[in-house]
Amino acid sequence: GPKVLQIPSHQIIDMGQMVTLNCDPVSNHLYFYWYKQILGQQMEFLVNFYNGKVMEKSKLFKDQFSVERPDGSYFTLKIQPTALEDSAVYFCASSLAGQGYAEQFFGPGTRLTVL
Amino acid sequence: QQQVRQSPQSLTVWEGGTTVLTCSYEDSTFNYFPWYQQFPGEGPALLISILSVSDKKEDGRFTTFFNKREKKLSLHIIDSQPGDSATYFCAASANTNTGKLTFGDGTVLTVKP
Repeated sequence: GPKVLQIPSHQIIDMGQMVTLNCDPVSNHLYFYWYKQILGQQMEFLVNFYNGKVMEKSKLFKDQFSVERPDGSYFTLKIQPTALEDSAVYFCASSLAGQGYAEQFFGPGTRLTVL
Repeated sequence: QQQVRQSPQSLTVWEGGTTVLTCSYEDSTFNYFPWYQQFPGEGPALLISILSVSDKKEDGRFTTFFNKREKKLSLHIIDSQPGDSATYFCAASANTNTGKLTFGDGTVLTVKP
C-alpha cells in the first residue's frame, strides 16, 4: 500500500539545539499531520497542514515548533530550541482528504532523544 | 481527562482463539472510529473503521462493534493467528475538516501458537 517515509529513524541531540524531522508523504496526498508519542503513553495529535497552512494545532505544539512543506518536498517538523520533554517518537501521517473519516497513512516514526 | 480509553493494556490469546479489545470515549462529537494495527518498527496501519451511523462492520476475521448510547466500541478478531501479534490502537475523530485523530493507549496483543 501507500508508504510514508520518515528521515531519520533516530536522532539524538543536546537540549537547546535545533532539530528538523523529515517526512515524505504519499505522493498525491494533500493533508499532512504530526503526532507525538512519549514512551508508554498514547499517541497525541500535534498539528495538521494543508495548502501551506496549519489547519489545527494542539496545546502540545509549542511556539518552538514549526512545520512547512516547501515546494512539495519533505513535510518537516522543526523544533528550535529543543527541550528535554521533546524526547518522544514523532509520527508523520498524510491523507488524500481532510475530513475526519479520511484514512491517514502513517510513517514508521522518528525517535528523538534530547539530552 | 483522557478522551479515548482502551483496554486491556495487554492480552495473550492462543492461536485459533477470539480476541476482544474495547474502547470507550467521552466526546459526543466523535463520529468516526478507526482501529490501527502497529508492528514493531513500523507506523500504525488502518485495520478497520466504523462510522457512528453503523453498529457493526466486518472485514474478514476482524469485526468492530459500535454502541453510541454507551459510547463504547470493540474489536473482535476470530481465529487469531500469531501474525496478528501487534499493538492495536483505537482512535476517534469528529466530522471536521482537520482530520485530527484522538488515540487510545493501545493494546499489546500476543497470539501464542
